[in-house]
Amino acid sequence: GAGVSQTPSNKVTEKGKYVELRCDPISGHTALYWYRQSLGQGPEFLIYFQGTGAADDSGLPNDRFFAVRPEGSVSTLKIQRTERGDSAMYLCASSLSAQGAFETQYFGPGTRLLVL
Amino acid sequence: AQKITQTQPGMFVQEKEAVTLDCTYDTSDPSYGLFWYKQPSSGEMIFLIYQGSYDQQNATEGRYSLNFQKARKSANLVISASQLGDSAMYFCAMSSNNAGNMLTFGGGTRLMVKP
Repeated sequence: GAGVSQTPSNKVTEKGKYVELRCDPISGHTALYWYRQSLGQGPEFLIYFQGTGAADDSGLPNDRFFAVRPEGSVSTLKIQRTERGDSAMYLCASSLSAQGAFETQYFGPGTRLLVL
Repeated sequence: AQKITQTQPGMFVQEKEAVTLDCTYDTSDPSYGLFWYKQPSSGEMIFLIYQGSYDQQNATEGRYSLNFQKARKSANLVISASQLGDSAMYFCAMSSNNAGNMLTFGGGTRLMVKP
């Protein structure tokens, strides 16, 4: 079946602009995760959803970052007043449920964000 | 808190040979999962193999096996019969019940397979 999809694949924006990154999880997966990966580093957790609600948003760096999943499927990560330091790869993952340590997360191809 | 350490920034291996990528972890939670992902230059994280903390046997998936040494808190990835397409970044990651559902990743190892 289809894997996790993310759009756009690349996004170039100017400092101070607003951007939205979209994630479409694997069909039937109830848990959805966002990670950010800076160049040369491993991904870092941002937020995860179980269904429609954000179950853990402890990784969001500040209040410029916000994510929604209104119908429990597609999710949008929103970044306001972008800064050059927001430039990174944004990865989305989904898992069948949220059974803690025992669930495999499957990742999408990512969105490369560049803030000029 | 949970932590993953990958001490090899880069590794070379000759095609058709086996290679071991090191991973050590730290957690106080007795219940956790360990994962390895491959990230080619395209950027997508590809799941390779999983080991649960209560699993008695080492996990295997095709040419991938996980050398799980619980007492040493290590979870090394072994790739047998390396292929040119194995050249990529490899990340070790873990999750634990106490840390919620997030994955914590190591810094990665870049594997380069020589023809």
